[in-house]
Amino acid sequence: DAKTTQPPSMDCAEGRAANLPCNHSTISGNEYVYWYRQIHSQGPQYIIHGLKNNETNEMASLIITEDRKSSTLILPHATLRDTAVYYCIVRVRTGANNLFFGTGTRLTVIP
Amino acid sequence: DAGVIQSPRHEVTEMGQEVTLRCKPISGHNSLFWYRQTMMRGLELLIYFNNNVPIDDSGMPEDRFSAKMPNASFSTLKIQPSEPRDSAVYFCASSSSSGTYGYTFGSGTRLTVV
Repeated sequence: DAKTTQPPSMDCAEGRAANLPCNHSTISGNEYVYWYRQIHSQGPQYIIHGLKNNETNEMASLIITEDRKSSTLILPHATLRDTAVYYCIVRVRTGANNLFFGTGTRLTVIP
Repeated sequence: DAGVIQSPRHEVTEMGQEVTLRCKPISGHNSLFWYRQTMMRGLELLIYFNNNVPIDDSGMPEDRFSAKMPNASFSTLKIQPSEPRDSAVYFCASSSSSGTYGYTFGSGTRLTVV
């Protein structure tokens, strides 16, 4: 699976949009971009995934650049409960296999 | 659905003792994963099963670790004998065989070996 690069930490004001970047310049054509988050003391939680089109669900939006070498996870209105470590992962979608969790981005939402 | 259920939530044991961690995956999920998380190494995959069969155990640190999945609704991770360096949070996760919509993780077992 392709390697990803994320900033180690970010802050965001409560109520504002949180934009978390991820670089995956070696992504292959059949690899998807997945985002998970881990709130303190809990197991990781799936957020969203995409291949090349932008995706949106009730939790977040995922913007993938046209060349697919980077993406941005957007939390439109961050709350204190969104404080967590966010992991960007690229992997082939078919078949259950390892999810490689890097170091992620620690997002702190500030009141 | 109650999600992935792990037990116990916390375990404190003495070095040399046997430890058994338990996991009940989501009904209908046929892939199960055991991860370990430490401050130094982050989240690491230990082993995963498809349809109750171990597929990749290359992450199991050594022979002291063993995992079983006797049926689709239950899995165990056993450490015998335990050592202080095994102290970590152990997560179980399950997914459908395609893994399309992500994995669902349990709340973890925090193991402390003294």
